[in-house]
Amino acid sequence: GQNIDQPTEMTATEGAIVQINCTYQTSGFNGLFWYQQHAGEAPTFLSYNVLDGLEEKGRFSSFLSRSKGYSYLLLKELQMKDSASYLCAVMRAGSYQLTFGKGTKLSVIP
Amino acid sequence: DTAVSQTPKYLVTQMGNDKSIKCEQNLGHDTMYWYKQDSKKFLKIMFSYNNKELIINETVPNRFSPKSPDKAHLNLHINSLELGDSAVYFCASSQELAGENEQFFGPGTRLTVL
Repeated sequence: GQNIDQPTEMTATEGAIVQINCTYQTSGFNGLFWYQQHAGEAPTFLSYNVLDGLEEKGRFSSFLSRSKGYSYLLLKELQMKDSASYLCAVMRAGSYQLTFGKGTKLSVIP
Repeated sequence: DTAVSQTPKYLVTQMGNDKSIKCEQNLGHDTMYWYKQDSKKFLKIMFSYNNKELIINETVPNRFSPKSPDKAHLNLHINSLELGDSAVYFCASSQELAGENEQFFGPGTRLTVL
């Protein structure tokens, strides 16, 4: 089976940097995804990591350590519009299905 | 152009009824999915389907059945609706590729069972 853990809620200040952690346990690993979901909307893709290391995309970066079963999403220069839930998801080897964590609700305050 | 679309956006119905939710994708993807997001916002895979294989999450009751008339559509049919079926249902699609398989989500269907 799979177990994915991430903090339930976080609060950060506009303009700051925030790191959202995700730990996972899975039998076989085929990549880790981060999705953003604004309230009442569909999840949208942010990043994909399958090899160890950091992937950077503008203000957002995602890091993976497969040996530790650990990932984080780093958001820089926070904006109010970044207030959303951030979902960590793992793809198991041999499957295209994603197993999602329960999401981290990020509130950005002025 | 909408990449993944679902109808209806809202569905309110009585316990015991049978209902369907439609999903269409115009991305040319070969794999489609249904997810259920409960009141606690936990997003859970229900099915994945391509023209070769249907994979059913073992926790999904057999009252739920996916139906795919063609590669661009995957509809969700639910029999004998129960109160616990109330949730937001998301359809998604992706292209089977080695490596990154970004899933594109539809806007969701909010189902309320009374």
